[in-house]
Amino acid sequence: QSALTQPASVSGSPGQSITISCTGSSNDIGTYNYVSWHQQHPGKAPKLLIYEVTKRPSGVTNRFSGSKSANMASLTISGLQAEDEAEYYCSSYTTSSTYVFGPGTKVTVL
Amino acid sequence: QVQLVESGGGVVQPGNSLRLSCAASGFTFSSYAMQWVRQAPGKGLEWVSVISYDGNNQYYADSVKGRFTISRDQAKKTLSLQMNSLRVEDTALYYCVRDDDMDVWGQGATVTVSS
Repeated sequence: QSALTQPASVSGSPGQSITISCTGSSNDIGTYNYVSWHQQHPGKAPKLLIYEVTKRPSGVTNRFSGSKSANMASLTISGLQAEDEAEYYCSSYTTSSTYVFGPGTKVTVL
Repeated sequence: QVQLVESGGGVVQPGNSLRLSCAASGFTFSSYAMQWVRQAPGKGLEWVSVISYDGNNQYYADSVKGRFTISRDQAKKTLSLQMNSLRVEDTALYYCVRDDDMDVWGQGATVTVSS
């Protein structure tokens, strides 16, 4: 059960757009459209932002969008805001019927 | 409202056991797969286990396979995680999570394994 790969940190200025990558393999992202993205603020439980690669739960702003190509998924945050400063985790379903998370990406708003 | 409340955390010595519970409310519990995800202090999220909506299928991370058992009581709307042969590296905040999409998270139960 290998973890997914994410950059340790990404930063941007308010109003800018940033993209966080999440690289897996043919055992997870490459086979299934079950990629999710979660946001976690310090001391808080994670919050679902994106599921099934591109879908947003009710109540999540459309500034967050997801995509996938081959073994890599991406989360784009548009119109970056101070409140977006948090840790972001990708996850995927795998061919072993298990799930796997990425190590997390810390987003800093400059 | 939809809510998941974990309980049963605590401090245990290595090799001992602990049982976590998660009380679900505000939704049809028996219609959703349920999961456990943990987070060691200062670390990232680690998937632990999933159980199907009907309880017939369970899957585990390699790190806990053979030591942890996930189960559910549909009548009591409760998810459980029986943790045996606990190790220091099992120390973490354990989250109860709804569905394959992980759309609802509890606030977590703290498990500390220390001698």
